[in-house]
Order: sequence, then C-alpha cells, then structure tokens
Amino acid sequence: AQKVTQAQTEISVVEKEDVTLDCVYETRDTTYYLFWYKQPPSGELVFLIRRNSFDEQNEISGRYSWNFQKSTSSFNFTITASQVVDSAVYFCALSEDGGYQKVTFGIGTKLQVIP
Amino acid sequence: ETGVTQTPRHLVMGMTNKKSLKCEQHLGHNAMYWYKQSAKKPLELMFVYSLEERVENNSVPSRFSPECPNSSHLFLHLHTLQPEDSALYLCASSPNRAGRARDEQFFGPGTRLTVL
Repeated sequence: AQKVTQAQTEISVVEKEDVTLDCVYETRDTTYYLFWYKQPPSGELVFLIRRNSFDEQNEISGRYSWNFQKSTSSFNFTITASQVVDSAVYFCALSEDGGYQKVTFGIGTKLQVIP
Repeated sequence: ETGVTQTPRHLVMGMTNKKSLKCEQHLGHNAMYWYKQSAKKPLELMFVYSLEERVENNSVPSRFSPECPNSSHLFLHLHTLQPEDSALYLCASSPNRAGRARDEQFFGPGTRLTVL
C-alpha cells in the first residue's frame, strides 16, 4: 500500500528565511510519480512539480527547489527567501498506475510566513 | 471562465435536505475527480470518472451520489447527510483517461459544506 507522510503539520518562519518541507513516501512499485501541490487560502490546489521514480535530479525553479532521494524515500521541498505570498498548505502526493490514477496525498504542511 | 470552477462555494444544509454540488472544467480534460478534505486528514478520493464513466467509487456512503453527464461537468448529489460530512469538497480534472499516473490534476476552489 502506498503512504505519504508529512511530519510537519505547521511551520512558521519570518519573511526571507529559508524553509524546508519534508515528505517521506512508501510504495512497492518501481514506477511512480511524486508531486507537490500548494493550497492557498482560496482553496484550489495548484500543481508545483512532478518527479518520476527514475529521475533523481534535483530541480530548482526560482526560489523553489526539490530534493528527491530514493535511498531515503524522501522528496523534500525548500523555499528560499520565503515571502508572505508563500503562506499556504503544501501537499506532497504519490501516484501509481492502477485501473485509474491512484493518488495518495499527505496530510499537508501549513506554512505561515510572518512579515 | 477558465480552469475548474465549482458552485456553490459555500453550502449550509440540514440533515434532511437534498442539494447538489457542481463542477465544470474548461480544460478539455478526460478525467474528473471528487475529493473530500477534512481538517487534519489527507485528501480522500471519493469518485473518479474517465470519459464520463465512473471507474472508482472509493467506499463512499450512498448518501453521496455522483453524476457525470459529459466530460466537462461533474455533480455530487447530497441527501440525508450527517454532521461528520461537513468538509471542503474539491473537484479536479486531469488531461488523459484516469489511468495515467504521471498526470497532474487541476483543482477547483472547492465547496465548503456545513451540515447542521
């Protein structure tokens, strides 16, 4: 069975600090995809990044970076120089092929960036 | 309208009422999903539709009844709900038929449901 653990339920940082959101996953499949989504106060989840299980290259997009390590089953997300607009709930998700797309979400990490 | 829209955004209903949630996607996608988001819990997948055919009913009580008349519209009909059904109900869509693990999902803003 697949499982996604986001151990940090809430994090508060002061603006301009760096912050890392942790994600640990469990799966028996060799082919899978990992996602991060952002849920601002408006409600809709917004897709941030996708990684497949064969691509362990880290990725950077502006102030966002992601560290995927299969050896520790982790897919961590770092925000550099955080801003108030980064305040949101962030979800890590794992997707495996099945009869339909089976996506398992973590419980989410609520990030509050204080001005 | 762009993306995924949901109406109403807020709904308060009594346990004996019947109401419906509506979702519309303007993205030309082929798969649509209903999720329930409760506080302190992961998103729970409720229903999956692929090309208007229901492909998954994730052990959801019969007081929730989905309907997908075409690939752009998805409804969730509600009747005789319980207070524990109060939650944010999110609709999502994805480009291909619902078996593509690599597809990201596009979410609507949700309907905040309160059952009294």
